Amino acid sequence: RKEVEQDPGPFNVPEGATVAFNCTYSNSASQSFFWYRQDCRKEPKLLMSVYSSGNEDGRFTAQLNRASQYISLLIRDSKLSDSATYLCVVVTGTASKLTFGTGTRLQVTL
Amino acid sequence: GAVVSQHPSRVICKSGTSVKIECRSLDFQATTMFWYRQFPKQSLMLMATSNEGSKATYEQGVEKDKFLINHASLTLSTLTVTSAHPEDSSFYICSAGVAGGRDTGELFFGEGSRLTVL
Repeated sequence: RKEVEQDPGPFNVPEGATVAFNCTYSNSASQSFFWYRQDCRKEPKLLMSVYSSGNEDGRFTAQLNRASQYISLLIRDSKLSDSATYLCVVVTGTASKLTFGTGTRLQVTL
Repeated sequence: GAVVSQHPSRVICKSGTSVKIECRSLDFQATTMFWYRQFPKQSLMLMATSNEGSKATYEQGVEKDKFLINHASLTLSTLTVTSAHPEDSSFYICSAGVAGGRDTGELFFGEGSRLTVL
C-alpha cells in the first residue's frame, strides 16, 4: 500500500461547481498534513495546511480525519484558474520526511 | 515571501556527461535543503536531504556516488548528476524551509530543472 494515495483524476468540472478531493495515508503516526498545488511543469506551491479542527481559506476548505486516516480538500465556486494538480502531502517523523501523493488533476471548464 | 531559485530550468545533455543543478535561497538562510525528483505523472520523490557543512542524507535506493550533493553555504546547494543516462531524465526540484517556520511543511520550491539525457 502506498504511503499516500490520491485519485489521480482528472476531475472535469464546470465553472462554479464544487469539487472535493480525498487523500488517504497509511502511517497513523503522521503528524502534519498539507495540500500543495502544482501547475503543469511548474514547482509545487503550498495551498494550505490541514488541521484536525478543519480550516477554511476563502473557497477552499481542508479537513482531517485521523480515525480514518484521510484528508480532504473542498473547492467551492470553481474558477478556471483552479485548474491544476493538487498534491496531498503528509509529514511523518522528522521534518524532512514529506511524502507526496501522486496528485489529483482538476480541469475547470467554461 | 521566501524565494528559492533553481538553475538551469532546462538542460539537455549527452549520455555519459555530468550535469550540475544549483539551488539558491534568495532571501533567507537554509541550513537544510531537499532534492526531489518527479517522473511524468508520478509524485515527487525525496532523493536526499542536503545539510550545510556536512554530508547529505540520501534516501534508500538513491546512489550517492551518482547524485553528488554539495551544500557549501547557507544559501546554495548543488546537485550533480554524474555520468547521466537516459533513465535519469526527469524533473528535479529543490526545496528549502524557513528556519523556525510554524509548519514543517512550509517548504519553498525552486522552479525545477528538467533534465533530458539523449
